[in-house]
Amino acid sequence: DAEITQSPRHKITETGRQVTLACHQTWNHNNMFWYRQDLGHGLRLIHYSYGVHDTNKGEVSDGYSVSRSNTEDLPLTLESAASSQTSVYFCASSDPWGEQFFGPGTRLTVL
Amino acid sequence: AQKVTQAQTEISVVEKEDVTLDCVYETRDTTYYLFWYKQPPSGELVFLIRRNSFDEQNEISGRYSWNFQKSTSSFNFTITASQVVDSAVYFCALSEARAAGNKLTFGGGTRVLVKP
Repeated sequence: DAEITQSPRHKITETGRQVTLACHQTWNHNNMFWYRQDLGHGLRLIHYSYGVHDTNKGEVSDGYSVSRSNTEDLPLTLESAASSQTSVYFCASSDPWGEQFFGPGTRLTVL
Repeated sequence: AQKVTQAQTEISVVEKEDVTLDCVYETRDTTYYLFWYKQPPSGELVFLIRRNSFDEQNEISGRYSWNFQKSTSSFNFTITASQVVDSAVYFCALSEARAAGNKLTFGGGTRVLVKP
């Protein structure tokens, strides 16, 4: 069955370190997204991609970057982790009709 | 800019009661999509429904029903005869619709607690 996976599921890091969160989907979807979830804010869009080599900034992109070298993967990089980036991160991909399929989430703690 | 407001942050009900979750949205697009997602305590996001802006028919799926009213920019969700398994956070979301599959703008979520 097609799926979307994220790794790691839990990560603890220190302020200033670079961190990369992986997202891999086997739906063959062109559209992929990264969101962060914080209490009281719902999910907010960090970056998104509509295809290979396409990346776009979302609502809360500062301090994050993505790259899309193939259809299946959209890794999210925190260039220099900050405590404000402690959050739960969700990756998603969407079908042509707009349904977004979410990964299980990555809980990131920045100490 | 798009915006989704879920004014109720938390609702507590006793099992078998009905519960309605409000969702109000703002968009300048004439064509858009509205969604509801469920996030149970396990943390995953579960798709419940997608509705496009040209389809104002209410929808029922088992104990779930949705009331879409463009005149008031609302897309409310009702759980009839609630059960403990309905305890979760529910998110309403909106997307631009120039092409389906565009990015979602989420509301802040409503936590529903169903007590036995």
